[in-house]
Amino acid sequence: GAGVSQSPSNKVTEKGKDVELRCDPISGHTALYWYRQSLGQGLEFLIYFQGNSAPDKSGLPSDRFSAERTGGSVSTLTIQRTQQEDSAVYLCASRKQGAGYEQYFGPGTRLTVT
Amino acid sequence: SQQGEEDPQALSIQEGENATMNCSYKTSINNLQWYRQNSGRGLVHLILIRSNEREKHSGRLRVTLDTSKKSSSLLITASRAADTASYFCATDARQAGTALIFGKGTTLSVSS
Repeated sequence: GAGVSQSPSNKVTEKGKDVELRCDPISGHTALYWYRQSLGQGLEFLIYFQGNSAPDKSGLPSDRFSAERTGGSVSTLTIQRTQQEDSAVYLCASRKQGAGYEQYFGPGTRLTVT
Repeated sequence: SQQGEEDPQALSIQEGENATMNCSYKTSINNLQWYRQNSGRGLVHLILIRSNEREKHSGRLRVTLDTSKKSSSLLITASRAADTASYFCATDARQAGTALIFGKGTTLSVSS
C-alpha cells in the first residue's frame, strides 16, 4: 500500500509569504505528527493529531505556525509570514492506533525561505 | 529541547566492520526507538525496545537499553555500504504513542 506522502517536495518562498505544506497519511492511521528538521539537526516535534482529540500543539515555535487535519486524514501545516529561520525539512509521520509505536514518515518538504 | 543525544556524531568504517552508536536521554521513558534517515529525507523505523527490556535483536541490528544509565546503543554488525545513513534514537517520554523526541543523530559512512 501507499506510504505517507507529502507535497510539495520542495518549496522556495520569499520572506514574509505564507506557505502551506500537505501531508497524506497512510489510510487508517489515526495519529499524525509534524516534525521539523533544520540543517544538521535532529527532528523537532511541532504538532500531533490523534483521532478526534484536540491536537497537541505544544511544539509549535510561534503563532505563525498552525496545522489542521480534515476528516481525520489529510493534514495541512501553514506557516504565515515566513522567516529565514523557518527554512528546514518538514516531515510528517503517521501511526496506527493499537499497532505499536512505530511512526511511518513521509519524504518531507524542503522549505527554503529567501 | 532534545531528549536523546547520540554519540559519536560521525562514524566512518570499512565494509564488514561493526558500527556502534550510543544514545543518552534525560527522563524516564516508555520505550526507545531507532530510526535511519537517508539523504536528509524520510526516516525509517529500525527497532523498538521497551523500558523493561535490556537487549533486542533484529537481523544485523542489536540494541541494548540501560535505564539506570539512561542510555542505549545500536550495533550494526558486518556493515555494508548501503548502511551509510544517519541514525537517530527517539523516545516518547511523556506518554507512549505521543510525539517522539529525537536526538541529533549519528552519521555513519561505510566505505567499500
